[in-house]
Amino acid sequence: NAGVTQTPKFQVLKTGQSMTLQCAQDMNHNSMYWYRQDPGMGLRLIYYSASEGTTDKGEVPNGYNVSRLNKREFSLRLESAAPSQTSVYFCASRPPGKANQPQHFGDGTRLSIL
Amino acid sequence: AQSVTQPDIHITVSEGASLELRCNYSYGATPYLFWYVQSPGQGLQLLLKYFSGDTLVQGIKGFEAEFKRSQSSFNLRKPSVHWSDAAEYFCAVGLYSGGGADGLTFGKGTHLIIQP
Repeated sequence: NAGVTQTPKFQVLKTGQSMTLQCAQDMNHNSMYWYRQDPGMGLRLIYYSASEGTTDKGEVPNGYNVSRLNKREFSLRLESAAPSQTSVYFCASRPPGKANQPQHFGDGTRLSIL
Repeated sequence: AQSVTQPDIHITVSEGASLELRCNYSYGATPYLFWYVQSPGQGLQLLLKYFSGDTLVQGIKGFEAEFKRSQSSFNLRKPSVHWSDAAEYFCAVGLYSGGGADGLTFGKGTHLIIQP
């Protein structure tokens, strides 16, 4: 079972470069999420998508864009990368139905911006 | 706004000893509460969850947690830790509401070190 798959696993960018982080889930989940994890900060929600075709801002959306391409895929784009966006990015998805269902996480993308 | 506090940044426990990791939350309604564990370089794995009902919930790997509404706490416990329990532990509260807000609010994590 693949679950939530994130690509790439590691990436180094220069300031000002653009990049898209990919996320796909094979569990037929409706809701998908992007978080960033910084040392001593826990995980913070960037964007989420409750269903195909809808996206909403989370706690820290500035500098990011997202696309819910279809039910399986939810991408995160950095248009002009900044050193402050150096972080570990996690994608997650949640089963349909009751909102108390837990989220399932990918293994993360480690992004460094020089 | 909802928030989660994990007061202990680091905890060191001897192998075989008992463990309690603290979590306090602030939330305006009945919370959905979760504990996740993260091993180095890995994603987050769900240990257990609480929505309603029995306030003592059992999870995987021998962990349990107790929801105490009066103390706004959801502490994680294990009677006897193993070296493989060394990891980062996160408490989280669900933001789900009828207004459409969604996602999890996480605490900053507790790093568990196991001494031989």
